[in-house]
Amino acid sequence: GQQLNQSPQSMFIQEGEDVSMNCTSSSIFNTWLWYKQDPGEGPVLLIALYKAGELTSNGRLTAQFGTTRKDSFLNISASIPSDVGIYFCAAPPAGSGNTGKLIFGQGTTLQVKP
Amino acid sequence: KAGVTQTPRYLIKTRGQQVTLSCSPISGHRSVSWYQQTPGQGLQFLFEYFSETQRNKGNFPGRFSGRQFSNSRSEMNVSTLELGDSALYLCASSLGSSGENIQYFGAGTRLSVL
Repeated sequence: GQQLNQSPQSMFIQEGEDVSMNCTSSSIFNTWLWYKQDPGEGPVLLIALYKAGELTSNGRLTAQFGTTRKDSFLNISASIPSDVGIYFCAAPPAGSGNTGKLIFGQGTTLQVKP
Repeated sequence: KAGVTQTPRYLIKTRGQQVTLSCSPISGHRSVSWYQQTPGQGLQFLFEYFSETQRNKGNFPGRFSGRQFSNSRSEMNVSTLELGDSALYLCASSLGSSGENIQYFGAGTRLSVL
C-alpha cells in the first residue's frame, strides 16, 4: 500500500538552530500536509501544499511540495522551545473510494535545548 | 468558531467491555474521520462518515464501528475490548466536498484497556 517515510525519526537541537525534515514515498500525491502534535493533544495543521514545486511559509515554517510529487520538506528556522513536539507529514491517497482518509508518516520528534 | 470536540478525554475499561466515543465536528463540516494512534503503528485510519453514511473504511476488525447523526456529530464504538485496543482515538472533521483534503483534529480520547 501507499506509505510515507519520514526522516529523521528524532532531532535534538539547540535553541536558535534551523531544522529540516522530509517525507518521501514511492507513490505520487496531489496534496501534502504538515501537522504538529503536542503531548496529549491532537495534530494541528501547520501547512498545506497543493501543487508540485510549491513553496509555502507559515511564520518561521516553510514547506515544499517536491517536483516529483513523491516527497515534501519542512523547515523550521530559528527554533524556539515551543517548537518541541512531533511533526507529521500526511497525504490523501489517490484513487476513488479514498475519501476522508489521510496517510501519515511515522513522525519526527523534535526536542529543543534552551 | 469552536474546534473539533471529543468526549470523554480519558477512559479506562476492562477486556471484554464495549466503549462509545463521541466527536462533534467544526460547525459546517459534514465529514468526520476517525483514527487510531499507537506508538507502534502510528496514526491509522479507521473510517469516515459523511451525511450519516460511511464513505470509507480502513483495515480494522468489525468490532470497530461508527455512526453519524444528522447534525454531523459522530460516535465510534468498540465492542469486546482487547488489550491492544489501548490507544489515542482521534477524530477529524472536514468540509467533505470533492477535493477538499484538509482535516482538523480534536484532542483525542485516550482509551486504556486493562
